[in-house]
Amino acid sequence: EVQLVQSGAEVKKSGESLKISCEASGYRFTSYWIGWVRQMPGKGLEWMGIIYPGDSDARYNPSFQGQVTISADKSISTAYLQWSSLKASDTAMYYCARAHSSSWPNWFDPWGQGTPVTVSS
Amino acid sequence: EIVLTQSPGTLSLSPGERATLSCRASQSVSSSYLAWYQQKPGQAPRLLIYGASSRATGIPDRFSGSGSGTDFTLTISRLEPEDFTVYYCQQYGSSPTFGGGTKVEIK
Repeated sequence: EVQLVQSGAEVKKSGESLKISCEASGYRFTSYWIGWVRQMPGKGLEWMGIIYPGDSDARYNPSFQGQVTISADKSISTAYLQWSSLKASDTAMYYCARAHSSSWPNWFDPWGQGTPVTVSS
Repeated sequence: EIVLTQSPGTLSLSPGERATLSCRASQSVSSSYLAWYQQKPGQAPRLLIYGASSRATGIPDRFSGSGSGTDFTLTISRLEPEDFTVYYCQQYGSSPTFGGGTKVEIK
């Protein structure tokens, strides 16, 4: 069974750094794109970016370029989303999701359970 | 960037009724790269439809998708109690975008 298990809830202060994770299992990690999606409180879904763990090719939504970094560690089948300096406006639920097949573009299925991030000013 | 506009924002219906949700794109969606997701409170989105009209594994046949180009529709033929929640469309071209969502609520 394909599963994506995300790291736990985070509470941070503005200006702090953060790295959240998404551990994959049940398939060949290096062969499928993994993306990140933001959902601000009470709002809709926003695609942030995606990475191909096989060669670490990362692509970003222009709205998030330079604001976050997406990376992956093949040795532990884990993708990451990180911030160097958080803002209060980064408060949101963050989901990782795998592209359905090894090609891109593709739809997302399955999804991780989400990581809530709260940033206080 | 392709902007997806979902309508209506909220749909008030009764169990057993038919729901028709619309997703309109600001430009043509290539190769019908259009998906629909269902999101229940406190849960991650769940894939319902991909390729505009193909049902995902395990999705009941009361859910159907149609459309091409810039106009797409998700239809729920007979609403079950568990179907009252939020639905998002997504175009998954090279730079994916999501619609703003439609909430289906009990009338």
